[in-house]
Amino acid sequence: DGGITQSPKYLFRKEGQNVTLSCEQNLNHDAMYWYRQDPGQGLRLIYYSQIVNDFQKGDIAEGYSVSREKKESFPLTVTSAQKNPTAFYLCASRLAGGLNEQFFGPGTRLTVL
Amino acid sequence: AQKVTQAQTEISVVEKEDVTLDCVYETRDTTYYLFWYKQPPSGELVFLIRRNSFDEQNEISGRYSWNFQKSTSSFNFTITASQVVDSAVYFCALSEGQGGSEKLVFGKGTKLTVNP
Repeated sequence: DGGITQSPKYLFRKEGQNVTLSCEQNLNHDAMYWYRQDPGQGLRLIYYSQIVNDFQKGDIAEGYSVSREKKESFPLTVTSAQKNPTAFYLCASRLAGGLNEQFFGPGTRLTVL
Repeated sequence: AQKVTQAQTEISVVEKEDVTLDCVYETRDTTYYLFWYKQPPSGELVFLIRRNSFDEQNEISGRYSWNFQKSTSSFNFTITASQVVDSAVYFCALSEGQGGSEKLVFGKGTKLTVNP
């Protein structure tokens, strides 16, 4: 089955710890994205990557880091510098070029205690 | 700067009623794309439609229809004869530029509840 996998669905961490959220896609998509969603808010772009080994900051990149070593994987690390990390995190991917929409994964709900 | 406004935070209807979700956008580009996504309680966003700025034709897909009006910078979404399964949060989004959806700017969403 082709799609985007985010694991785990729910993640709990203690304050001050870094945590890495996984995002894998087997759609052979070129571009990948990370969004954050807070209650009653739309999605806000954290980071995106259009090709392997390259990525750009989105609107709220502070306190986050990413890597893109493989086309199918785009992990997001939430560092201790992120002041309010508790949120719902969504990963998306897209085939480059043309008018291709973004496809989204199921999301990871991160709770920092 | 790009901006998407969904003024309706929550809407509640009874099954079989028609409902329209409003979306107003701001952009300085002449080439842009508008999207609607559905987010059911499971959390995953489901793509519904994409419209480019040069195509103002309304679109109908089953019980769903979209009305794009550049004159009012609006891209409204109507569900006809709503069903309980339509209950979800609906997001309108905007992308500028030739390529389409490199970066999406989302509205805050409208939570639709369809009651039996």
